[in-house]
Amino acid sequence: GAGVSQSPRYKVAKRGQDVALRCDPISGHVSLFWYQQALGQGPEFLTYFQNEAQLDKSGLPSDRFFAERPEGSVSTLKIQRTQQEDSAVYLCASSLDLVNQPQHFGDGTRLSIL
Amino acid sequence: RKEVEQDPGPFNVPEGATVAFNCTYSNSASQSFFWYRQDCRKEPKLLMSVYSSGNEDGRFTAQLNRASQYISLLIRDSKLSDSATYLCVVRLYGGSQGNLIFGKGTKLSVKP
Repeated sequence: GAGVSQSPRYKVAKRGQDVALRCDPISGHVSLFWYQQALGQGPEFLTYFQNEAQLDKSGLPSDRFFAERPEGSVSTLKIQRTQQEDSAVYLCASSLDLVNQPQHFGDGTRLSIL
Repeated sequence: RKEVEQDPGPFNVPEGATVAFNCTYSNSASQSFFWYRQDCRKEPKLLMSVYSSGNEDGRFTAQLNRASQYISLLIRDSKLSDSATYLCVVRLYGGSQGNLIFGKGTKLSVKP
């Protein structure tokens, strides 16, 4: 498809398990962003890539969160030793560049930690 | 204090009404401004960018006041399909910052 693709759409995990969330950006988009959206809140920035370089990870809530984009296209957000407070929708967005182009969002992964 | 503040609503209005949403932002380094729309259990979608000169897209008018750090969205002749959450968004530039900063959103419900 032409849009940002995220998988899985839904993920249920037990507390303490590791999870991996995938984002396939729009082809040719240089910038890739991860956001976390808790219920009733707006999305909050987690981390940003320009091609394969992770230029900003200031929004990652703890060292249990790790993101990578090794070939500058698909990105994976990994959460280790999940906690209940990690339950949220994880949104990925991509754009042609950092400055001028709009960000296009994927459908998100809804993560529930039991 | 949150960087972007909006009235969460909900705003319940009849079809055909005019409704206005307001938003304030705290960081004067904010350089780009947007309204996004988010339907229930869906991803945010760009509604429109906001410029100091004001801009209009059909029934939607957005305004920016940099001096007051205030952004508005006006929807005229509301339709049932306008029911959604409207997110006020700013973007900072400088260094590697390009991420969007979202408000909590204002929920609009348009009734027949």
